[in-house]
Amino acid sequence: ILNVEQSPQSLHVQEGDSTNFTCSFPSSNFYALHWYRWETAKSPEALFVMTLNGDEKKKGRISATLNTKEGYSYLYIKGSQPEDSATYLCAFSAGGTSYGKLTFGQGTILTVHP
Amino acid sequence: DSGVTQTPKHLITATGQRVTLRCSPRSGDLSVYWYQQSLDQGLQFLIQYYNGEERAKGNILERFSAQQFPDLHSELNLSSLELGDSALYFCASSVIQENTEAFFGQGTRLTVV
Repeated sequence: ILNVEQSPQSLHVQEGDSTNFTCSFPSSNFYALHWYRWETAKSPEALFVMTLNGDEKKKGRISATLNTKEGYSYLYIKGSQPEDSATYLCAFSAGGTSYGKLTFGQGTILTVHP
Repeated sequence: DSGVTQTPKHLITATGQRVTLRCSPRSGDLSVYWYQQSLDQGLQFLIQYYNGEERAKGNILERFSAQQFPDLHSELNLSSLELGDSALYFCASSVIQENTEAFFGQGTRLTVV
C-alpha cells in the first residue's frame, strides 16, 4: 500500500502571506510526483509534474521542489491571493507496470482571507 | 475547460441497478484514467486504459468494469449498485502514460438511493 501524506490538512492565511505545504511519499520505486489544484465545484487542474530529484518548477507565484531520496515535495505560494483558495493535491506514481496509477494524498485546503 | 467531457453530470439510481458513465478524452490523448471520490475520501484510482488496452488497475470492485473504444472514448460500468457506491466519478486523460499531466473532466455525481 502506497501512503501519500499531505500536511497540514488545512491552512488559513491572510492575503499577501507566503505559505507552503508538504507532500510525503515512498522514496523507493519513485516515478513521478504530481501537484494539482482543486477549486470547489471544479475539476482538479494540473500544476506540476516532477520526476527528477532536486527538480524545482515554477508557475507564476507557485513553485514546487522535489526530494526523491527522502520522499518529500514542497509547494510554495508567494503573496497568496483569495483566488488561490483551493485544495492542493499531490499524487505519486511508482515505477514498474503501474506508473499510470496516481496515488493521491488527502490534500491541503488553503483559505486565503482578504 | 479541460477538454475532457464526462456524461452524465448527475445520475440518481436505485440499489441493484446498473449504470454506464461515459468519458471523451481530450483530442489526441491516448490514456484515460477513472477515479472515484467518496464522502470523506480522497481521489481513489480505479483503472487506466492506454490506446484501448488496460494498463493499470487500482482497487476497482468486481462489480465495476471499464473499456476504451477505438475512438478512445471510455465507459465505466457500475453494476449491482449499493448505497456506498454513491460518489463523484472522475475521468482524466493524458497524451501518453508517463510523466505527463492528466486533465480531469467535471465528474459524474452518482447517487444511489
